Amino acid sequence: DVVMTQSPLSLPVTLGQPASISCRSSQSLVYSDGNTHLNWFQQRPGQSPRRLIYMVSNRDSGVPDRFSGSGSGTDFTLKISRVEAEDVGIYYCMQGTHWPWTFGQGTKVEIK
Amino acid sequence: QLQLQESGPGLVNPSETLSLTCTVSGGSISGDYWSWIRQLPGKGLEWIGYVRYTGSTNYSPSLNSRVTISLDTSKNDFSLRVSSVTAADTAIYYCVRGERTLAGPWGPGTLVTVSS
Repeated sequence: DVVMTQSPLSLPVTLGQPASISCRSSQSLVYSDGNTHLNWFQQRPGQSPRRLIYMVSNRDSGVPDRFSGSGSGTDFTLKISRVEAEDVGIYYCMQGTHWPWTFGQGTKVEIK
Repeated sequence: QLQLQESGPGLVNPSETLSLTCTVSGGSISGDYWSWIRQLPGKGLEWIGYVRYTGSTNYSPSLNSRVTISLDTSKNDFSLRVSSVTAADTAIYYCVRGERTLAGPWGPGTLVTVSS
């Protein structure tokens, strides 16, 4: 299985400051159709996960533009330009290129 | 607005079969993919498998021999069965719309505990 490694696993951030989460895959995530199936999910406390970003950098409808995704091949990043209180939660990257699709361990974002 | 809701027993005896149903409302189950994902206690997320609207399925190799996912278009729902469960199958089980891009939405999740 493709191993997804996130860092850091815990990220204390000051309100209004930027945050960055790294996700690395054990294999290239470029699919046979040329797309790179790397998605990012947010799980707020007590809630189900929801998708924020799909195919590396496409923001889902309703997701604030302070969230952005980037990267290629095996190295990806989720950035929050200015952290707000509602951003507290666990963030997961997930690859949909190689079956079985797999998730990272999660990065817990909390306010300092 | 599409909504998903898991249902089924919250407690299952070891060696028995876990059975869950996901009811889809606000839209049709036809023409899409539907997945089951679980969250092990204090750990991350694990993909169990998915079913296409045609009825074709794909299961994670780690669970393949014990898992069955099926859909019922007449009831607009899809189901998960995991046989020969052990304590290691204790988890929150989510049903979700989608496959490799996992667009969602997700159901609220249901905790299943395997214990005698």
